[in-house]
Amino acid sequence: DAGITQSPRYKITETGRQVTLMCHQTWSHSYMFWYRQDLGHGLRLIYYSAAADITDKGEVPDGYVVSRSKTENFPLTLESATRSQTSVYFCASAAGNSYEQYFGPGTRLTVT
Amino acid sequence: EDQVTQSPEALRLQEGESSSLNCSYTVSGLRGLFWYRQDPGKGPEFLFTLYSAGEEKEKERLKATLTKKESFLHITAPKPEDSATYLCAVPRGKLTFGTGTRLTIIP
Repeated sequence: DAGITQSPRYKITETGRQVTLMCHQTWSHSYMFWYRQDLGHGLRLIYYSAAADITDKGEVPDGYVVSRSKTENFPLTLESATRSQTSVYFCASAAGNSYEQYFGPGTRLTVT
Repeated sequence: EDQVTQSPEALRLQEGESSSLNCSYTVSGLRGLFWYRQDPGKGPEFLFTLYSAGEEKEKERLKATLTKKESFLHITAPKPEDSATYLCAVPRGKLTFGTGTRLTIIP
C-alpha cells in the first residue's frame, strides 16, 4: 500500500539499550523527518533528511542518530535509551521542498 | 520565544454548535500556515495550507482563514466525528508546530 509506515508501533525498552525505529515511505518523497510528541511540548523536530545520504539536526537531536541510505527509508536510532526519551515518535515525508508533510502512524516508545 | 500559539487548549462543544480555533504566530515573512488534524493514537493529517492574508480554504465543516498575525479554523455545525486535536504550523527553518487545540464535540 502507498503511504508512510512506521515500525514497531509500540516498544518497551530498558535504560541504556539501543533501539531503532523504522520509517518507510512509498511516495519517493525527497524529504523525511522525525518528530517526537510529548504533552506540553507538541511536536518537536529531531532530525530531517533532504535526500539519501543528506541529514541535518532539528530542534532536539541529542541522543539520536539517523541514516538514510535509500530514499524510502529513514531509521532513527537511540544509541543508549534514557527515560527522557519515552515519547511518541512520528516520521513524516514531504515532496521537494514543500512544507506539506505527511505523517506516519507513530511509534509509542517507553524506556524503563 | 513562542513562534506559534494556539488557543484554547481544549474546547468542548455541543453537536451543531459552531466555534473557532485560533493560531497566532510571530514569524516574519510568513511562507505559509498549515493546519493539521490529529486523532488519538494517529499521526497528524494535513488539512490546509494558507499563504497570504485574506486567503480562505474550506473542507466540509471546516474553514481556515488567515490574517497577518493569526489564523482561525472555523467549525460550522460540528459533528462528533470532528472531535480531534487541531494543530497549526508555520515554517521557521522547517515546520514549527503549535501545541494544538483538543476539540470535543458532544452528541
